[in-house]
Amino acid sequence: AQKITQTQPGMFVQEKEAVTLDCTYDTSDPSYGLFWYKQPSSGEMIFLIYQGSYDQQNATEGRYSLNFQKARKSANLVISASQLGDSAMYFCAMREGWGVTGGGNKLTFGTGTQLKVEL
Amino acid sequence: GAGVSQSPSNKVTEKGKDVELRCDPISGHTALYWYRQSLGQGLEFLIYFQGNSAPDKSGLPSDRFSAERTGGSVSTLTIQRTQQEDSAVYLCASSPSLSVNEQFFGPGTRLTVL
Repeated sequence: AQKITQTQPGMFVQEKEAVTLDCTYDTSDPSYGLFWYKQPSSGEMIFLIYQGSYDQQNATEGRYSLNFQKARKSANLVISASQLGDSAMYFCAMREGWGVTGGGNKLTFGTGTQLKVEL
Repeated sequence: GAGVSQSPSNKVTEKGKDVELRCDPISGHTALYWYRQSLGQGLEFLIYFQGNSAPDKSGLPSDRFSAERTGGSVSTLTIQRTQQEDSAVYLCASSPSLSVNEQFFGPGTRLTVL
């Protein structure tokens, strides 16, 4: 089974609108972390937001928020007030365990969602 | 300050040749990761180093792949006898320690095997 599933290969959104990018995950480890990264056409990976499995509140970072539904194993990214510069590929990723005993924080990535922001 | 740097940015090689890819992590970062991104795919973990500990090589796809990290800083990923399926972007990331969640990625090396 896929550990990280992103079912939307491509999404369009109008500038200034909000958009939700879907991510579901699969793990039996009670300690895990969920990440979203942005990859513009330049290719560099840009960290956006992190949610730990024991965090009680949904993570927020500026216009980014993570809608964490633990029972459903989903970690959707919400981008508010979309901007043209948000056009990029977005990857959901997961760390299982923690630190040296937990696999060293290596990340498992989904296949990504290509977001296009339109005027 | 300076971010993670990788060299070369592009590498074209012939099938069967060996290649070396270099990663300079952010100064002081003890954790270093290598990932591979094939065309249109997500990133695939290859190997990680943490300080002086033995590296976690669990993601290396075959024994043609190896990596080393000298002096706890610069890392080199070596692919021997390259195959066309090795064509991908190879990304390096570093982190201050394993207690920090964020990994800082370099710009990657695009490898093309003809």
